Amino acid sequence: KAGVTQTPRYLIKTRGQQVTLSCSPISGHRSVSWYQQTPGQGLQFLFEYFSETQRNKGNFPGRFSGRQFSNSRSEMNVSTLELGDSALYLCASSLASDYNEQFFGPGTRLTVL
Amino acid sequence: GDSVTQMEGPVTLSEEAFLTINCTYTATGYPSLFWYVQYPGEGLQLLLKATKADDKGSNKGFEATYRKETTSFHLEKGSVQVSDSAVYFCALSDRRAGTASKLTFGTGTRLQVTL
Repeated sequence: KAGVTQTPRYLIKTRGQQVTLSCSPISGHRSVSWYQQTPGQGLQFLFEYFSETQRNKGNFPGRFSGRQFSNSRSEMNVSTLELGDSALYLCASSLASDYNEQFFGPGTRLTVL
Repeated sequence: GDSVTQMEGPVTLSEEAFLTINCTYTATGYPSLFWYVQYPGEGLQLLLKATKADDKGSNKGFEATYRKETTSFHLEKGSVQVSDSAVYFCALSDRRAGTASKLTFGTGTRLQVTL
């Protein structure tokens, strides 16, 4: 069974641009969560989507948004990029929103110049 | 809010040494507890979990026991190998709060095992 896949793996953008990251969950998993990992703040929860609806949200500004499609694939978007948005963005999938065993993808490394 | 505190790293051990990485938590609900491992350049892998008090999670020689009285979930392994070198994260999620998919992580502990 294929694991969680994330594309692209690496991305370089400049300040003020926007970016879209993609995540394909494990087949049959309907919940997708996103996390930001930085050396300073560690791993922080961004949001969770289940059945195309945002179920939970972390403490990030509105520049960070996401969506989920009917096939459970998810995208997250960051607008008006700032230097501090440079991070590893991890996606995790689980069977359902109330099932807390999550499986992580390899991440997308975003560098903002 | 919920929080996880784990010991600062790096932890450097010789191969076959005993490993303990301390983890304590603060949660108002009924958390499930996890240990994840991250190898260089990779995402997180679930190492073990425990969903209620006194449960023991175990996998690949690693163990951790959910201690509600001390709010702890310390990770142990009797004999580490060079291949165990990685960053280890303690995490919790509170199922009863309706936020089961929101993991709260500790800061991570880097383990380096030498020959």
